[in-house]
Amino acid sequence: AQSVTQLGSHVSVSEGALVLLRCNYSSSVPPYLFWYVQYPNQGLQLLLKYTSAATLVKGINGFEAEFKKSETSFHLTKPSAHMSDAAEYFCAVTNPTNAGGTSYGKLTFGQGTILTVHP
Amino acid sequence: DADVTQTPRNRITKTGKRIMLECSQTKGHDRMYWYRQDPGLGLRLIYYSFDVKDINKGEISDGYSVSRQAQAKFSLSLESAIPNQTALYFCATSDTYYQRTEQFFGPGTRLTVL
Repeated sequence: AQSVTQLGSHVSVSEGALVLLRCNYSSSVPPYLFWYVQYPNQGLQLLLKYTSAATLVKGINGFEAEFKKSETSFHLTKPSAHMSDAAEYFCAVTNPTNAGGTSYGKLTFGQGTILTVHP
Repeated sequence: DADVTQTPRNRITKTGKRIMLECSQTKGHDRMYWYRQDPGLGLRLIYYSFDVKDINKGEISDGYSVSRQAQAKFSLSLESAIPNQTALYFCATSDTYYQRTEQFFGPGTRLTVL
């Protein structure tokens, strides 16, 4: 079984401040991990993904995330928040395509974190 | 043009009505998924299909059914809609190619059941 926990349903930062969105996962096999962003009235867009290569992953719009196996974490960061970063962010986990099992190829999402950026 | 499209984008209906939500994709992916999004609950998987003849229940399939009419089309039906099915529904697709496991999402259908 796999699961994702996002700590903090709402995060508020000032423009220019560090953004840190927390994600912890549970998986019976080494996972693939994703961060998606949802802007108001839109679908989900992939920010970045970890697929067992480099543990520090860089994504679009200046975001990055670090896979830490010992902490079962995949926190999302951005050094300097911009007003346009205001959105809801989702962390998701899946098992790699060669792992088999009932969760093969399926994404499990966290509860989401709404990011607010203040001027 | 959008790679994953959903129709309708918004729908208001009454309890007991049958509703169909449609999803089409031009990405050439063989895998398709239906999710519902509720505030504070993230996205939950309703049904998924790994090819036209392979359809599987997700974690919350009760009250829903699906049809995979072709590789590019995957429909979700609510046979008798109830108010707690009011939610935002997303269709997604993905490729089976090794490591290309990211999913691509449609714009969503906002369904309100009165």
